[in-house]
Amino acid sequence: NAGVTQTPKFRILKIGQSMTLQCTQDMNHNYMYWYRQDPGMGLKLIYYSVGAGITDKGEVPNGYNVSRSTTEDFPLRLELAAPSQTSVYFCASNRADTQYFGPGTRLTVL
Amino acid sequence: DAKTTQPNSMESNEEEPVHLPCNHSTISGTDYIHWYRQLPSQGPEYVIHGLTSNVNNRMASLAIAEDRKSSTLILHRATLRDAAVYYCILSVTTSGTYKYIFGTGTRLKVLA
Repeated sequence: NAGVTQTPKFRILKIGQSMTLQCTQDMNHNYMYWYRQDPGMGLKLIYYSVGAGITDKGEVPNGYNVSRSTTEDFPLRLELAAPSQTSVYFCASNRADTQYFGPGTRLTVL
Repeated sequence: DAKTTQPNSMESNEEEPVHLPCNHSTISGTDYIHWYRQLPSQGPEYVIHGLTSNVNNRMASLAIAEDRKSSTLILHRATLRDAAVYYCILSVTTSGTYKYIFGTGTRLKVLA
């Protein structure tokens, strides 16, 4: 099993550009999550999904969108990137009280 | 949502036990207590979790206070590879959905 994979690993965006962060898991988990981690801080939940076709907002959803068309994939879309979205983004999936995290995407908005 | 409070940083000597405290005074009856750790430039990884009783696994032990308002992660013999940020997390179940509430974590430094 590859577990949770994320692409890209790094990205630099200009203000106002958009992009999609990809997340795929091969463990057939229904629950998936997107978090962001600002320097020196803990993780904050952006969006989560309890299964294909079902998504909901977390603590900090503004400026982001998600979709979940399959069990495996949970992409995060940034529209009109802003410097405040500079962060490390982690995707995770959940099974039986354990979350499995991807390696993260480091995003810089200039 | 219930929150956790942890010291910002702690130090330990190699091969000595480490006790990492966490306060969660507003925990609800159904909230589980989880511990994850994050090595530099990696995503968090699972360490241990529990509800009411103390728990042991190959990585660590979790001691939960009787009133559940605090818990302690115990690493029995710290190694240099245990240097990481340790997060005490409450899992909240609301309307059938399951979310984690992260605190700011404790940065553990292990001295050789």
